[in-house]
Amino acid sequence: QKEVEQNSGPLSVPEGAIASLNCTYSDRGSQSFFWYRQYSGKSPELIMFIYSNGDKEDGRFTAQLNKASQYVSLLIRDSQPSDSATYLCAVNPSGTYKYIFGTGTRLKVLA
Amino acid sequence: SQTIHQWPATLVQPVGSPLSLECTVEGTSNPNLYWYRQAAGRGLQLLFYSVGIGQISSEVPQNLSASRPQDRQFILSSKKLLLSDSGFYLCAWRVAGGSREQFFGPGTRLTVL
Repeated sequence: QKEVEQNSGPLSVPEGAIASLNCTYSDRGSQSFFWYRQYSGKSPELIMFIYSNGDKEDGRFTAQLNKASQYVSLLIRDSQPSDSATYLCAVNPSGTYKYIFGTGTRLKVLA
Repeated sequence: SQTIHQWPATLVQPVGSPLSLECTVEGTSNPNLYWYRQAAGRGLQLLFYSVGIGQISSEVPQNLSASRPQDRQFILSSKKLLLSDSGFYLCAWRVAGGSREQFFGPGTRLTVL
């Protein structure tokens, strides 16, 4: 069974701090990795995707991928109260149309 | 630009009643389409996906079915709802081939009583 695991949290950080969210996956052949933000009662919104080892930056967000260790992380710099949400990690295993989601990490940014 | 629609937004149905949820995508052709369910406080469960008209792959055996009668239309159905069918139903799409980013619709919140 291919799995994606995340710490459910909540992860609490003060406003202005860096929030670090982590995700591990079991399928070593996975090629595509995604981070979604989901506000309570709303649908997931894609915020970052990464396909290659290393870092990818977009504004305050940085995705980091380490295929050898099978983990992907999301860093949120200068965290704001509006970043408080559940962050879902998703993996698209190689050669499939399917996506496997983690159960999400709840982030709380304290003003 | 592409847009994905789902309706209804909320639905309250009695146990044993039928279900039909609809999803349509605008602004793209031949998308890959997906149905997910998110139970309260839980992760996303992939129910069905489709790579073309009439092509449906089922991920979880249950009392739900899916159909894709048109290129950009995806329908989730049930003949008899169970209490355990309650949840947040999400339709998603991605471009066929190439980019692998997947985008979600606004969702339908279903409560079975």
